[in-house]
Amino acid sequence: NAGVTQTPKFRILKIGQSMTLQCTQDMNHNYMYWYRQDPGMGLKLIYYSVGAGITDKGEVPNGYNVSRSTTEDFPLRLELAAPSQTSVYFCASNPGLGTAGGYTFGSGTRLTVV
Amino acid sequence: DAKTTQPNSMESNEEEPVHLPCNHSTISGTDYIHWYRQLPSQGPEYVIHGLTSNVNNRMASLAIAEDRKSSTLILHRATLRDAAVYYCILRGREEGNTGKLIFGQGTTLQVKP
Repeated sequence: NAGVTQTPKFRILKIGQSMTLQCTQDMNHNYMYWYRQDPGMGLKLIYYSVGAGITDKGEVPNGYNVSRSTTEDFPLRLELAAPSQTSVYFCASNPGLGTAGGYTFGSGTRLTVV
Repeated sequence: DAKTTQPNSMESNEEEPVHLPCNHSTISGTDYIHWYRQLPSQGPEYVIHGLTSNVNNRMASLAIAEDRKSSTLILHRATLRDAAVYYCILRGREEGNTGKLIFGQGTTLQVKP
């Protein structure tokens, strides 16, 4: 199994541009999450989803949007890129409540906004 | 969400045991204790989790205090590859809980050859 796959791995955006960070998992997990990690800091939760069609805000949602049309995919959209969104973005998944197991993280997307 | 407190950094010598502490005095009865680690330039990696009893797996052991207000991640023989940031996180189990993991700063473990 591939686990959680994120694309692209690296991207440079100009201020005001838009992009979508892709995240897909092949484990049939219900719960999916987007985190950002600034240099030298811990991870901050941006958005999460507990199933297809259900999304909710995390700690730092401003400037981002998400959708969850399928169980497998959970894309993160940046509409008007700003330098403050320069960060490493991680997607994660988990089977859901009723299972106590660990979360699986992707390898990350490193985004620079100039 | 209940919070955890960890030391900012720790050092260990290669092939020696490492005990990474975590305090979670406000833990609720249904919170699981999760540990993750993040190697340089990689995403977090699941290490171990537990509820009340001590747990062992191929990577580490988790010792949980009887009152559940603290826990210790034990690496039995540290290797250079274990140098990473280790995060102790509480994950709720109650119905309706979204299972969000709220990361703190973690403990940066340095392993000396």
